[in-house]
Amino acid sequence: DTEVTQTPKHLVMGMTNKKSLKCEQHMGHRAMYWYKQKAKKPPELMFVYSYEKLSINESVPSRFSPECPNSSLLNLHLHALQPEDSALYLCASSQDVRGVEQYFGPGTRLTVT
Amino acid sequence: QKEVEQNSGPLSVPEGAIASLNCTYSDRGSQSFFWYRQYSGKSPELIMSIYSNGDKEDGRFTAQLNKASQYVSLLIRDSQPSDSATYLCAVTGANNLFFGTGTRLTVIP
Repeated sequence: DTEVTQTPKHLVMGMTNKKSLKCEQHMGHRAMYWYKQKAKKPPELMFVYSYEKLSINESVPSRFSPECPNSSLLNLHLHALQPEDSALYLCASSQDVRGVEQYFGPGTRLTVT
Repeated sequence: QKEVEQNSGPLSVPEGAIASLNCTYSDRGSQSFFWYRQYSGKSPELIMSIYSNGDKEDGRFTAQLNKASQYVSLLIRDSQPSDSATYLCAVTGANNLFFGTGTRLTVIP
């Protein structure tokens, strides 16, 4: 089973709202990732968690706050977003961080109004 | 900065033809190489992984790797309209993947 799930599928939020994106995997993977993808662009890495610890933060603004409650779950907390943050947010997981296959969830389509 | 380069396309092939997608990368230390397929509005789907020089075949897909030339390719035989998508080449760095900008493939019935 190579399934990564994400909720919600779609999210519309105002610039003053606080919301969270959720990601779950049951493959026993120990690395999880958040990516942001704009139209016609490749996925852009935001955060990497390895064994539930944040290992990479690609200079992401503080209005995005990741959390890894356990090895199967990954959250992305959103606060005071800007319209330019509207994008497809993708979660991925892999067995570990060392050059192995990453499997993506279906994504959350975020619109900031 | 690690670079992965692909022709953005669009690449158009007739149904039943072979589609050839190419990718070059800049980091000689890269060890793992992947091809993802992404349909419009959907997430990337892993379709091929290749780790050593040579060819790897999986159904209608063949991945080819040449580390000396820093080149990886994907061949799709007997192309079908359902293969119309953007194909992303990805190359590993120290702890993450570096993606090319993708090649948009259109298979014409």
